[in-house]
Amino acid sequence: GAGVSQSPSNKVTEKGKDVELRCDPISGHTALYWYRQSLGQGLEFLIYFQGNSAPDKSGLPSDRFSAERTGGSVSTLTIQRTQQEDSAVYLCASSLSISYEQYFGPGTRLTVT
Amino acid sequence: GQNIDQPTEMTATEGAIVQINCTYQTSGFNGLFWYQQHAGEAPTFLSYNVLDGLEEKGRFSSFLSRSKGYSYLLLKELQMKDSASYLCAVRGGATNKLIFGTGTLLAVQP
Repeated sequence: GAGVSQSPSNKVTEKGKDVELRCDPISGHTALYWYRQSLGQGLEFLIYFQGNSAPDKSGLPSDRFSAERTGGSVSTLTIQRTQQEDSAVYLCASSLSISYEQYFGPGTRLTVT
Repeated sequence: GQNIDQPTEMTATEGAIVQINCTYQTSGFNGLFWYQQHAGEAPTFLSYNVLDGLEEKGRFSSFLSRSKGYSYLLLKELQMKDSASYLCAVRGGATNKLIFGTGTLLAVQP
């Protein structure tokens, strides 16, 4: 079946602009996660959604970052007033529920110039 | 909070066996995962341990000791395609989220 998809695959933006990154999880997966990975670094947790529960936003680095998940499916990660340090690969993952293994999308490579 | 430690880099020879260690500290441990990540690609799931002991899956095995806060990933009959980063991730803490280590970059040499 279809895996996790993300769009765009690459995004180049100017400092100060807003960007939106999209994630389509695997159908039927109730849990959805966003991570950030800088070059040569591990995965940095940003936020996760589990069903209708309030999302865990504890990993968001600043109030410029926000995410929503509409209808329990597609999720959008928004970064406002982008900074150069926001440049990274943003990975989305989904799982049947929080107790199960996560399946990752291909990521969005964000470059802030 | 949660803390995960694994070696930064390892080198091994094709056909050999390599063990990648992971130590962790967390409150409310609720499972440990290993993921493989090839350069420029997304992580892919390898194994899951929640109880002590060894889980075997083909050439890959993963071991967990909860009392020691320790896990290892064992790769047998190494192949060149096994060259990748191996990420240890622990679920726990107050919110039960998955926290990843920085990964171990394994280079398999002929």
